[in-house]
Amino acid sequence: DGGITQSPKYLFRKEGQNVTLSCEQNLNHDAMYWYRQDPGQGLRLIYYSQIVNDFQKGDIAEGYSVSREKKESFPLTVTSAQKNPTAFYLCASSISQGSYEQYFGPGTRLTVT
Amino acid sequence: KQEVTQIPAALSVPEGENLVLNCSFTDSAIYNLQWFRQDPGKGLTSLLLIQSSQREQTSGRLNASLDKSSGRSTLYIAASQPGDSATYLCAVGNYGGATNKLIFGTGTLLAVQP
Repeated sequence: DGGITQSPKYLFRKEGQNVTLSCEQNLNHDAMYWYRQDPGQGLRLIYYSQIVNDFQKGDIAEGYSVSREKKESFPLTVTSAQKNPTAFYLCASSISQGSYEQYFGPGTRLTVT
Repeated sequence: KQEVTQIPAALSVPEGENLVLNCSFTDSAIYNLQWFRQDPGKGLTSLLLIQSSQREQTSGRLNASLDKSSGRSTLYIAASQPGDSATYLCAVGNYGGATNKLIFGTGTLLAVQP
């Protein structure tokens, strides 16, 4: 089955620790995205990547980092510099940048205490 | 700055009713508009994608329209079913350099009562 997988589904960390969220896709899509969802707010773009070894900051990149070493993988690291890391994180992909449909993974709920 | 608004925030209807969800946006310079469904604690499922040159798209009982000039889109659900209960999100694809950024509304929580 083609799709986007995110792991783990739930993640718990202590404040001050870095944590990496996994996102893998087997859709052969060039573009990948990370969004954050908070209660009562729309999804907000953290980082995106148009192609391997290239990525750009979205609207709320502070305290996050990404890498894109392989086409199918786009991991997101939540660093200790992120002030409010507890949220639902969603990964998405599309065929390419431009007017293409975005497909989403099942999400990872991160709780930092 | 593009802003996307969805009204109402919540809606409860009896099974079988036809209903309309609304989405408005402030900047008409968009690539496209996408409607999603989100079940509690889950990711987003794409329902319909309307390109900026199109006026509507249909899939089964769903019909989405787009009026760029007025900054509005509607999602029409015919003959609603309890299984349609979910949060419905609209997102506009905005011009932003080489990027197609999706700007999301906050969603409409739909409950269809059996």
